[in-house]
Amino acid sequence: EPEVTQTPSHQVTQMGQEVILRCVPISNHLYFYWYRQILGQKVEFLVSFYNNEISEKSEIFDDQFSVERPDGSNFTLKIRSTKLEDSAMYFCASSGQGSNYGYTFGSGTRLTVV
Amino acid sequence: AQSVTQLGSHVSVSEGALVLLRCNYSSSVPPYLFWYVQYPNQGLQLLLKYTTGATLVKGINGFEAEFKKSETSFHLTKPSAHMSDAAEYFCAVSTDNQGGKLIFGQGTELSVKP
Repeated sequence: EPEVTQTPSHQVTQMGQEVILRCVPISNHLYFYWYRQILGQKVEFLVSFYNNEISEKSEIFDDQFSVERPDGSNFTLKIRSTKLEDSAMYFCASSGQGSNYGYTFGSGTRLTVV
Repeated sequence: AQSVTQLGSHVSVSEGALVLLRCNYSSSVPPYLFWYVQYPNQGLQLLLKYTTGATLVKGINGFEAEFKKSETSFHLTKPSAHMSDAAEYFCAVSTDNQGGKLIFGQGTELSVKP
């Protein structure tokens, strides 16, 4: 079964530092996403990405955040100048279309900002 | 805009009893509906999905859900609970099978008593 791979599984960073969360989506999927889950809360949409550009973003996804697909396999989320409230589980997902439609999530990166 | 409501943040059943987790959605267009399960400190695993066709959908681990358009519901059921079913369950909706975002409900924590 194809998987979405996320690294690292845990990241601790100091407030104000930049972090990059990495994801390898499923190879034949065309759409990529980042979601966030603050402890004890629901999963929230951050951003979707298609054809090398952002297709939709939420209010959470402000100028502090950016995404990139630097090569043919990786998909990254960068958080500049992290804040305490950025502490959360970050999930990457990818989806296909048509008969291949469906969202596959990675196992997440737990980000702790101290 | 679409939304998802999961009735009951905590549900407790006895082992062997029926599991019923409720999900209602709001959407102005035909929805695509999903149930995900999250075990402690793990990622989101797809249980089942409804896209088109048969309204009764069977998923993994003996779970099934029925799409009822007239009731805007997609409740998750399992005839006989097992201890290993204890987890957080999320219902989610999308309205676009080409890169649309998933909107999640608040989640329902299922406890299974021996």
